[in-house]
Amino acid sequence: DGGITQSPKYLFRKEGQNVTLSCEQNLNHDAMYWYRQDPGQGLRLIYYSQIVNDFQKGDIAEGYSVSREKKESFPLTVTSAQKNPTAFYLCASSNRVRETQYFGPGTRLLVL
Amino acid sequence: EDKVVQSPLSLVVHEGDTVTLNCSYEVTNFRSLLWYKQEKKAPTFLFMLTSSGIEKKSGRLSSILDKKELFSILNITATQTGDSAVYLCAVELNYGGSQGNLIFGKGTKLSVKP
Repeated sequence: DGGITQSPKYLFRKEGQNVTLSCEQNLNHDAMYWYRQDPGQGLRLIYYSQIVNDFQKGDIAEGYSVSREKKESFPLTVTSAQKNPTAFYLCASSNRVRETQYFGPGTRLLVL
Repeated sequence: EDKVVQSPLSLVVHEGDTVTLNCSYEVTNFRSLLWYKQEKKAPTFLFMLTSSGIEKKSGRLSSILDKKELFSILNITATQTGDSAVYLCAVELNYGGSQGNLIFGKGTKLSVKP
């Protein structure tokens, strides 16, 4: 089945630790995105990628890093520089950057 | 600053009621407006609106855009408990380059009681 998968479903981070969230899609989409959702807030864009080996900062990129070595994969690393990482993280993809985005199931990150 | 404002933030209705959710926006370079339904996890796409006055329908859901007054509404008729969710409105910006960016509202939490 075609779709977007994210793993893990829940992730716990210790202080000072880097953690990586996985996002994979088999929709053959060129563009991929990472959003953060906090309670009572809309989604906010962290990073997006239009094509392999290219990515751009979104509105809240500080404390995060990404890579796009393969078309189907767009992992997000939450670094120790991100002081408030507890949130729900959503990955999305679209055929091209300006087309409808479809979302993965999300990863909830909690800080121990 | 670009912004999208949804109202109400939460709403409780009974099955069979009709509801109207509102989304207003102030953005510098509008391209389209999208509605998503978010249940437990990922938002699922409902509608994309680009032209004023053209209603989009899908079953009991419908939506329309007013680009002059800068708002959209999402209507749900004969609500069911399965309609309970957070409904997100997002505006896509139309940059001069090849970028795309969505600005999301905070969502309207709809609870449908049996």
